[in-house]
Amino acid sequence: SQKIEQNSEALNIQEGKTATLTCNYTNYSPAYLQWYRQDPGRGPVFLLLIRENEKEKRKERLKVTFDTTLKQSLFHITASQPADSATYLCAPAGYSSASKIIFGSGTRLSIRP
Amino acid sequence: EAQVTQNPRYLITVTGKKLTVTCSQNMNHEYMSWYRQDPGLGLRQIYYSMNVEVTDKGDVPEGYKVSRKEKRNFPLILESPSPNQTSLYFCASSLRRADEQFFGPGTRLTVL
Repeated sequence: SQKIEQNSEALNIQEGKTATLTCNYTNYSPAYLQWYRQDPGRGPVFLLLIRENEKEKRKERLKVTFDTTLKQSLFHITASQPADSATYLCAPAGYSSASKIIFGSGTRLSIRP
Repeated sequence: EAQVTQNPRYLITVTGKKLTVTCSQNMNHEYMSWYRQDPGLGLRQIYYSMNVEVTDKGDVPEGYKVSRKEKRNFPLILESPSPNQTSLYFCASSLRRADEQFFGPGTRLTVL
């Protein structure tokens, strides 16, 4: 069955460093992959979408890569700040309506001052 | 303001008492979806709708019903709630299926 794995449940990073989060998928060939941020008790908020024909996507301090050979996406936050502390979710999907949108269980990121 | 609204935000009910959680979006989105979120299990899709009168099962549809009679509304119906449906529920919408999803604020449901 399709499986999404995000690296360690929690990641602690010193402020100013680059945080790197991993999303691995198996038994799946998604056409695109989305990343969301979720704060406690709130709904996820969309951050970035990367398609299978794109190797890298950037938005301000955020960068996402998508390696269809490794079946992996990496999400980077450069110059991390305490305000970046949240849970980050990846969601690979295909374009077909028969392809489910599956969310990973998330990585809880903590940025310490 | 573009948004997805859900009601109620909090609900405590008893086993077997039918309930409906409403979801409404004001962005003219075609795609709408319901998720439940449980500790350690992440977000799991319950049902989704590609457009009016078009709905389909997600990963965990058992015990739930939905309808899409109007584009803006996508209510989630629990005909006979059970304690294992205690969870945090999110409604989401997007212009099309492959676009970014906008999530509602969530409904925390407890079934006793």
